Amino acid sequence: NAGVTQTPKFQVLKTGQSMTLQCAQDMNHEYMSWYRQDPGMGLRLIHYSVGAGITDQGEVPNGYNVSRSTTEDFPLRLLSAAPSQTSVYFCASSTRDRGKMNEQFFGPGTRLTVL
Amino acid sequence: GESVGLHLPTLSVQEGDNSIINCAYSNSASDYFIWYKQESGKGPQFIIDIRSNMDKRQGQRVTVLLNKTVKHLSLQIAATQPGDSAVYFCAERVGSASKIIFGSGTRLSIRP
Repeated sequence: NAGVTQTPKFQVLKTGQSMTLQCAQDMNHEYMSWYRQDPGMGLRLIHYSVGAGITDQGEVPNGYNVSRSTTEDFPLRLLSAAPSQTSVYFCASSTRDRGKMNEQFFGPGTRLTVL
Repeated sequence: GESVGLHLPTLSVQEGDNSIINCAYSNSASDYFIWYKQESGKGPQFIIDIRSNMDKRQGQRVTVLLNKTVKHLSLQIAATQPGDSAVYFCAERVGSASKIIFGSGTRLSIRP
């Protein structure tokens, strides 16, 4: 299993540009989440999904859109990039099985810089 | 390396000693409390969780304690090793929702 994969690893955008961060998992996990991590701030939840076709907002959803058309993929779209969105973005997935649903598996992250 | 954690508190421990990492939480409705470990340049990695109706849970070399009276969570690592060097985050699974919210982090540094 490849686990959770994220592309790209690095990205530089100009203010106002849009782009999509890709996330895919091959573990057939129902739950998927997007977090951002700023220096000294820990991880903040952007959006999450409990299954295909279902998404919900996290702590900091403004400026981001998500969709979940398949179990495997959970892309994060930046609508109009701003310097405040410079961060490291992590995607995570976990199973719905009650005993293991807290065991989120994280991808390697995408380091985004907005100029 | 990872630039995360410039302002995180640091706990320095002698190799072989026990480490205790603390976390305060605010949401009384949380169903589970969780500890993650993040090594430099990597995503977080699940360590252990505890349900809100428990006060102690043990894993391999780790123990999590939950004190709901004072809303305090701690992670104890026995016989700390160089490979334990990382940033440790506590997190909460909010009751009816399925979202996991991260709390504060602590950088664990091991002295040889």
